[in-house]
Amino acid sequence: NAGVMQNPRHLVRRRGQEARLRCSPMKGHSHVYWYRQLPEEGLKFMVYLQKENIIDESGMPKERFSAEFPKEGPSILRIQQVVRGDSAAYFCASSLTRNTGELFFGEGSRLTVL
Amino acid sequence: QKEVEQDPGPLSVPEGAIVSLNCTYSNSAFQYFMWYRQYSRKGPELLMYTYSSGNKEDGRFTAQVDKSSKYISLFIRDSQPSDSATYLCAMTKAAGNKLTFGGGTRVLVKP
Repeated sequence: NAGVMQNPRHLVRRRGQEARLRCSPMKGHSHVYWYRQLPEEGLKFMVYLQKENIIDESGMPKERFSAEFPKEGPSILRIQQVVRGDSAAYFCASSLTRNTGELFFGEGSRLTVL
Repeated sequence: QKEVEQDPGPLSVPEGAIVSLNCTYSNSAFQYFMWYRQYSRKGPELLMYTYSSGNKEDGRFTAQVDKSSKYISLFIRDSQPSDSATYLCAMTKAAGNKLTFGGGTRVLVKP
């Protein structure tokens, strides 16, 4: 079952460290989206990438956060100098085309900042 | 005020009852409407997808969109304990745009 694969599933970091979250989209999908879910809140859009290009990063914090989706390999969401407020579940989703909401989500990466 | 409002629940119903969920939104530009189901500690899973106003039925699930009232609904008939989950509404304006999610409603179906 080649669904959206995210790793690590759980990540613990101390304040000031870096967190790297990886996402392999479904086979054949070239559109990747990252969402963040804070406790008791819905998902918030962060960034939309298509192979080697950032299409929409309007939901990304201006500092410390970056994302990439290289030609080869998984998409990476990178958080530098993590703070406690970065503790959340980060979900990756993929789609076959630039469509209108039919996204396939991974199981998420849960980041805890101590 | 949030763009998409959804009662957080929890909504507790007996097995076999109809579950009624809804969302209201403020942005009239939204055209595509979705319902996702999320089990605890899992990723969201697409249940229903609707374009513009109208009804859509799929098995035990019925989605309704009323754009004039900026109101969408999801009905689950003959509810089962396995339907216990958080249900998230989501919407977007156009192709490729980011989804705007409601906060989710937690549903508990008691056997």
